[in-house]
Amino acid sequence: EVQLVESGGGLVQPGASLKLSCVASGFTFSDYWMSWVRQTPGKTMEWIGDIKYDGSYTNYAPSLKNRFTISRDNAKSTLYLQMSNVRSEDTATYYCTRENYSGLDYWGQGVMVTVSS
Amino acid sequence: DIQMTQSPASLSASLGETVTIECRASEDIYSNLAWYQQKPGNSPQLLIYDANSLADGVPSRFSGSGSGTQYSLKINSLQSEDVASYFCQQYNNYPYTFGAGTKLELK
Repeated sequence: EVQLVESGGGLVQPGASLKLSCVASGFTFSDYWMSWVRQTPGKTMEWIGDIKYDGSYTNYAPSLKNRFTISRDNAKSTLYLQMSNVRSEDTATYYCTRENYSGLDYWGQGVMVTVSS
Repeated sequence: DIQMTQSPASLSASLGETVTIECRASEDIYSNLAWYQQKPGNSPQLLIYDANSLADGVPSRFSGSGSGTQYSLKINSLQSEDVASYFCQQYNNYPYTFGAGTKLELK
């Protein structure tokens, strides 16, 4: 059974940094591109970016690429999202997802990030 | 970025009814479109990919169609378990983009 389990969320102050993790199981992690997607409190979905199966290439939403970095450790079957200089508009539920060339076929349960002083 | 315009924003329908949700892309996305269902309190789940292919385990009352810039999701014979929000997403171009969602409720 495919499982994606995110962690690392919580309350963070504006301007701070935060690193989210996603541990994958039930499939060969190193065979798949992986994405991060976030959903705002108003339910808007925003794709953050993705990373190639070997970690050699990343794509980002232009509005986020200067502050967010996606990485992976295939030995640990773990995906990461490094968030820096966070703002109130980064408050959202963050999902780790698996890509299969035709959509995002598995999603984690999500982790909440609240940016507030 | 490709803009995805989804309609309606909300929808109220009766059990057994057929409902249709539309998604329009700002440019041709060559059927590189997915639909997701998100039940209250849950993560989204893939329903349809490549505009008209049913994901594993999805009931046959769900169907997708369209091409070019216009796509639709149809639910035949609405069931109570279909109460959810539905999102379209294009994966033809980076950055991937989503529609604003449709909240489906029972009348």
